[in-house]
Amino acid sequence: DAGITQSPRHKVTETGTPVTLRCHQTENHRYMYWYRQDPGHGLRLIHYSYGVKDTDKGEVSDGYSVSRSKTEDFLLTLESATSSQTSVYFCATQWDPSYEQYFGPGTRLTVT
Amino acid sequence: AQSVTQPDIHITVSEGASLELRCNYSYGATPYLFWYVQSPGQGLQLLLKYFSGDTLVQGIKGFEAEFKRSQSSFNLRKPSVHWSDAAEYFCALTGGGNKLTFGTGTQLKVEL
Repeated sequence: DAGITQSPRHKVTETGTPVTLRCHQTENHRYMYWYRQDPGHGLRLIHYSYGVKDTDKGEVSDGYSVSRSKTEDFLLTLESATSSQTSVYFCATQWDPSYEQYFGPGTRLTVT
Repeated sequence: AQSVTQPDIHITVSEGASLELRCNYSYGATPYLFWYVQSPGQGLQLLLKYFSGDTLVQGIKGFEAEFKRSQSSFNLRKPSVHWSDAAEYFCALTGGGNKLTFGTGTQLKVEL
């Protein structure tokens, strides 16, 4: 495992409030990813980072932003949470594109 | 565009029976292929991967998978299932870059 932690592990928030999820890794992996998992959809990529301050969009990036100011931390922000963003969010890291991705334990977010 | 199809949403097998989980992919060249397992409330754990070479790959926990280019398939197998194998299984691919595309998952139930 790549020493990945996610915080918080569970969160309930109200529609319209901002939410930030944190992913922290201890393995100095260059690449970091945010996915959301929903029944019937598997995991879908939200955003990813290929280095400090280098990020790009995934397939479901609308309503989300990310930041990476340090190698070890990758933040996912929901600027104004909506009920459609209720999901389980997973962070993943990767040493190099030719290697596998390692996943964190997930954050369950409920937007009421 | 790349895609992964796992045609079986749910599979039930008896403990000790053999298992095969299907995965079909669409990609214009030879992809990197992965199988991940997710236990309830947990993150994803890599079972095995195929990058190149021998088309039969061995993984952890007694699992294996066979890459068949002619059938665009990467099916996961285990000769004798244990009750602890009950989980959700995801097939995924990347084209050698860093964007994983996941299937929608197969939920495995093991009957004692």
